[in-house]
Amino acid sequence: NAGVMQNPRHLVRRRGQEARLRCSPMKGHSHVYWYRQLPEEGLKFMVYLQKENIIDESGMPKERFSAEFPKEGPSILRIQQVVRGDSAAYFCASSPLGTLGTEAFFGQGTRLTVV
Amino acid sequence: GQQVMQIPQYQHVQEGEDFTTYCNSSTTLSNIQWYKQRPGGHPVFLIQLVKSGEVKKQKRLTFQFGEAKKNSSLHITATQTTDVGTYFCAGLKGNTNAGKSTFGDGTTLTVKP
Repeated sequence: NAGVMQNPRHLVRRRGQEARLRCSPMKGHSHVYWYRQLPEEGLKFMVYLQKENIIDESGMPKERFSAEFPKEGPSILRIQQVVRGDSAAYFCASSPLGTLGTEAFFGQGTRLTVV
Repeated sequence: GQQVMQIPQYQHVQEGEDFTTYCNSSTTLSNIQWYKQRPGGHPVFLIQLVKSGEVKKQKRLTFQFGEAKKNSSLHITATQTTDVGTYFCAGLKGNTNAGKSTFGDGTTLTVKP
């Protein structure tokens, strides 16, 4: 049973370009969460998705950021017109369907660098 | 909104010394989880505490959940170099799913051999 898979592991983008981060949850998990971690800081919740639904996007910036979790394929976090302040590690986590209060399994993250 | 504070932010110890990190929530939690993140790595689940006053042990690690379910601590006895990393607490409020946790900013532990 593969863990949470994120790709790419490292992504370099120039200011103004788009960044697409992908996350495939663990098999059997239908809840996906995205977190952002700035250097020397903790994990900040961005968005919580289930298949084809955004459940909670209260932590996501209103502009330039979007997320989806289609019926088929991985969850995508999309950042348009990236700026230097978007440089961070983006972690995806997943948890099983209908299980409350259990651990979240994290992927290895995508480290985005905006130059 | 809910806030989770962790102290200290950094802790440097000599190998063999003990280490404690504290986590405090502004609101009562339904449960609390602890994660460890090695340098350059990703958060890895350590344990979950649910009951008021609960104490759990994993070898040299002792986890406590306060009576009011608003604070928690992680204590490591006789640290080793393998304990190096950042320890995060993550608080769950109410009847929410695991991933919708509020993470503290972590305590980064360095161990001098």
